[in-house]
Amino acid sequence: KNEVEQSPQNLTAQEGEFITINCSYSVGISALHWLQQHPGGGIVSLFMLSSGKKKHGRLIATINIQEKHSSLHITASHPRDSAVYICAWQETSGSRLTFGEGTQLTVNP
Amino acid sequence: EAQVTQNPRYLITVTGKKLTVTCSQNMNHEYMSWYRQDPGLGLRQIYYSMNVEVTDKGDVPEGYKVSRKEKRNFPLILESPSPNQTSLYFCASSLSWANYGYTFGSGTRLTVV
Repeated sequence: KNEVEQSPQNLTAQEGEFITINCSYSVGISALHWLQQHPGGGIVSLFMLSSGKKKHGRLIATINIQEKHSSLHITASHPRDSAVYICAWQETSGSRLTFGEGTQLTVNP
Repeated sequence: EAQVTQNPRYLITVTGKKLTVTCSQNMNHEYMSWYRQDPGLGLRQIYYSMNVEVTDKGDVPEGYKVSRKEKRNFPLILESPSPNQTSLYFCASSLSWANYGYTFGSGTRLTVV
């Protein structure tokens, strides 16, 4: 059983819409990562969170440690945001990442 | 430019023929790791290294070997590849195992026939 659950699996939006992708995990963690995988396959690290909220441009990531839940928000979505977004939790020893199955986001013009 | 370099990008090989996928980083990162990505299974960790000469198994280490003789390089070795090792492989590095972001290589698409 995957210990990281992402939702939705697929998401289609119109340009300009506000996007939310959710990630729930079942164990204690030291950090949670959000990654973006482009259509060509390359992976970029977006955020690493251990508490609270982080913002980078139009991307916002939040984490609630007590509820074991994290969200990735995209404001004013754009077709270039189309990608697979993957959350991954880092165990308390810090040495391993466990990945969610990813959310395929398509933003239409 | 700070980066993780993987080679080759694409490789088709035959069952049983030993191969090495190289991974090199120029950021003086302590932590390096290898992952494979398969449809329906997502990314899974193969091996990781917390520093030179320190390596450990991830979730799917069977059929793979690694070594970390120097800080910048972390090659993935398939001694006797089999078709079930056909996959997309990623190397990644991080400043430390403790709560730093990761930098990923561009990936290696391996096909074993």
